[in-house]
Amino acid sequence: EPEVTQTPSHQVTQMGQEVILRCVPISNHLYFYWYRQILGQKVEFLVSFYNNEISEKSEIFDDQFSVERPDGSNFTLKIRSTKLEDSAMYFCASSESEGDTSPLHFGNGTRLTVT
Amino acid sequence: GQSLEQPSEVTAVEGAIVQINCTYQTSGFYGLSWYQQHDGGAPTFLSYNALDGLEETGRFSSFLSRSDSYGYLLLQELQMKDSASYFCALSGGSYIPTFGRGTSLIVHP
Repeated sequence: EPEVTQTPSHQVTQMGQEVILRCVPISNHLYFYWYRQILGQKVEFLVSFYNNEISEKSEIFDDQFSVERPDGSNFTLKIRSTKLEDSAMYFCASSESEGDTSPLHFGNGTRLTVT
Repeated sequence: GQSLEQPSEVTAVEGAIVQINCTYQTSGFYGLSWYQQHDGGAPTFLSYNALDGLEETGRFSSFLSRSDSYGYLLLQELQMKDSASYFCALSGGSYIPTFGRGTSLIVHP
């Protein structure tokens, strides 16, 4: 079964540094998402991406965050100047279309630790 | 805005039936989803309700009452591997799901 893959599985960075989290969505999917989950808490929506542009974003997704689809397969989340509170599990997800017949397929996540 | 409420933890015995409730508040509504997450891993889609009533998928069923802003996930013939976190997720203002805080299900032998 096709799956969403994320790299790296764990990223440790120092406060103020830039990080790029990478995702390869399922190949025939058109909608891409980033969510994050602070340890033990709920899964929070960050941003959705369709047709090479952001379609929705949450209040969390401020100017320090950006997303890009640099080629036909990768989907990246960049955090420009990391803060301690950015430490979380970041999940990429994709869906075939938008709507009730198209559930989100999540990757295994990247655990980001900011020190 | 949107809000979801679900119990933080539910315990049950192997072979039993358990129900995880979810209440929500929203101005718009597209549907209510359920996802399973094992040990902080990838959330996995279980079920989706857009209309009132029961959706059945094997041992799992999900129910929705839009007039009561309420839904539940029913797990039958519980197995040890069902121990996980279960999230209800609301598609309110758009199809993009907003997740609740999750219910930790602990299945005892």
